[in-house]
Amino acid sequence: DAGVIQSPRHEVTEMGQEVTLRCKPISGHDYLFWYRQTMMRGLELLIYFNNNVPIDDSGMPEDRFSAKMPNASFSTLKIQPSEPRDSAVYFCASSFSRGQGFWRGGVTGELFFGEGSRLTVL
Amino acid sequence: ILNVEQSPQSLHVQEGDSTNFTCSFPSSNFYALHWYRWETAKSPEALFVMTLNGDEKKKGRISATLNTKEGYSYLYIKGSQPEDSATYLCAPPNTGNQFYFGTGTSLTVIP
Repeated sequence: DAGVIQSPRHEVTEMGQEVTLRCKPISGHDYLFWYRQTMMRGLELLIYFNNNVPIDDSGMPEDRFSAKMPNASFSTLKIQPSEPRDSAVYFCASSFSRGQGFWRGGVTGELFFGEGSRLTVL
Repeated sequence: ILNVEQSPQSLHVQEGDSTNFTCSFPSSNFYALHWYRWETAKSPEALFVMTLNGDEKKKGRISATLNTKEGYSYLYIKGSQPEDSATYLCAPPNTGNQFYFGTGTSLTVIP
């Protein structure tokens, strides 16, 4: 399997521009997570999806951030308009749940991370 | 957001030394505890997924234990090598399946 694929790997943009980050999860995985890596907070959970449905977006910093998962093999994280403080590495991760719900029966799935998208907003 | 604490924040050890660090988490509504290893300029990789109180897992020179009643897990590295240098993260996903990571323990192994 190719693993979780993220694009672009690097993005440099100017303040005010729209940024779209993309993620292709591992085939068959039914959970998808978006994280942001910052010096202050480490790995911050932004949003996660289960079966393409957003379950919790409470980590999304503000309305400028939005995420979608139109199908099981693709997700986007969009920032509009971008600001310098959005500069960070954004990671996508996917996981596989076995049975009903993630933890039913005590069977869990580890997260598989993509290589990350490094965003620089000037 | 789940309160996850890892200690120490950073650690420098000599090659060959053994070391350990701690992940503390709320003991109520426990489901599982994940450990990840994160090398610089790479992405986190899973080390262990632990679900039962008293669990012990081992992978080569790295092992982990779990105490769900008191809410902590220990990660041990025996005979540290320079390639063990990384940040070690733990995450106890809560009932909502939200993986909130601790800030990690940064390990540097000095040759």
